[in-house]
Amino acid sequence: GAVVSQHPSRVICKSGTSVKIECRSLDFQATTMFWYRQFPKKSLMLMATSNEGSKATYEQGVEKDKFLINHASLTLSTLTVTSAHPEDSSFYICSARLAGTYNEQFFGPGTRLTVL
Amino acid sequence: AQSVSQHNHHVILSEAASLELGCNYSYGGTVNLFWYVQYPGQHLQLLLKYFSGDPLVKGIKGFEAEFIKSKFSFNLRKPSVQWSDTAEYFCAVYYSGGYQKVTFGTGTKLQVIP
Repeated sequence: GAVVSQHPSRVICKSGTSVKIECRSLDFQATTMFWYRQFPKKSLMLMATSNEGSKATYEQGVEKDKFLINHASLTLSTLTVTSAHPEDSSFYICSARLAGTYNEQFFGPGTRLTVL
Repeated sequence: AQSVSQHNHHVILSEAASLELGCNYSYGGTVNLFWYVQYPGQHLQLLLKYFSGDPLVKGIKGFEAEFIKSKFSFNLRKPSVQWSDTAEYFCAVYYSGGYQKVTFGTGTKLQVIP
């Protein structure tokens, strides 16, 4: 149980375009989902906390107008990278918190974004 | 700010060697502690977790970790590693008391040589 999926797994786009990444909890409801960015040889950087039915909470230094997060249902959160630039190229990972599990997070497989 | 440090960035061991990966966190309050593993080409998976009770926690695949509150540490151990343990290991800490988020360490790459 507690499976999280992400789509797409890999995307290549042109500079200036927008890309949407979906994160789904497949067999449980997640009131809270998290979006991370993983840099090579570095840890996961929390970008934002996504709460179902309310605005996302962004970490310091993360542009909320650039990284749009929508958590419209208990099983789906989306991250849209708007007007993507090459420096946005990265590995984006979502996770979902299972209620009642002492803050244990279940991670999606990640999305590799390459902006040309 | 809360921080999690993993002292070893890259560890190379021969099969059957014992493993200990260090993890220290900065906050002195109530914490939940996790070790995650990322096998090559796969997503992060939970190895083990500590919430309360016995500070020696046993996880999957023969891993264990010990929470030492006085040292703010949660080191991961395995008595005898296998080639299949080759992966990246992340320590993570959930800080209660208003922070409400999990902070990850920088990860340790473990390479096990057959």
